[in-house]
Amino acid sequence: QPVLTQPPSASGTPGRRVAISCSGSSSNIGSNTVNWYQHLPGTAPQLLIYSNNQRSSGVPDRFSGSKSGTSASLAISGLQSDDEAYYYCAAWDDSLNGVIFGGGTQLTVL
Amino acid sequence: EMQLVESGGGLVQPGGSLRLSCEASGFTFNAYSMNWVRQAPGKGLEWLTYISSSDSSRYYADSVKGRFTVSRDNAKNSLYLQMNSLREEDTALYYCVRARSLDVWGQGTTVTVSS
Repeated sequence: QPVLTQPPSASGTPGRRVAISCSGSSSNIGSNTVNWYQHLPGTAPQLLIYSNNQRSSGVPDRFSGSKSGTSASLAISGLQSDDEAYYYCAAWDDSLNGVIFGGGTQLTVL
Repeated sequence: EMQLVESGGGLVQPGGSLRLSCEASGFTFNAYSMNWVRQAPGKGLEWLTYISSSDSSRYYADSVKGRFTVSRDNAKNSLYLQMNSLREEDTALYYCVRARSLDVWGQGTTVTVSS
């Protein structure tokens, strides 16, 4: 199953900043926009960032996204315990004609 | 409020079939493409299929191509997933999701394939 590459885990202390990377290829991130999703177990995933760096409605500005070439990154500043969740990147893939996801990153707030 | 409500999940034997439904409300359903995404136990998110707003295009992940069929009824604001030749590895929580940006998600319906 083709995936975008994310680190399986990330962590940080309250108030600090953490960044989660997402690496792809020319057929996905390189030619399409990247979205980020927050997934809390037992709930539906929620769109956090769309079009590389646009925050979805209601998402605090502590969350930011960026993209360069075939890689993207989600940054969370001022970490809070509520931020503990799984984070997924996703992008349309032109060769597959479908959406591909990263494997997900489990964020732990220490 | 935009809402997607899935139904039709359940327990089915390997080789069996199941039809999932998703009813949309709170937005103009016929203006949006739709997708099905699943999450197997202990695994990440997996995109399965896309259907355009007018049903002019349908795309499938290799894992379900030839076994699953997506369809929609814009008059009923509904999306469907016909699943045939089910395998144990199809056991998952199945989500109905709006648009290529996957911006609105249902709560999911559980499919268990087991003998």
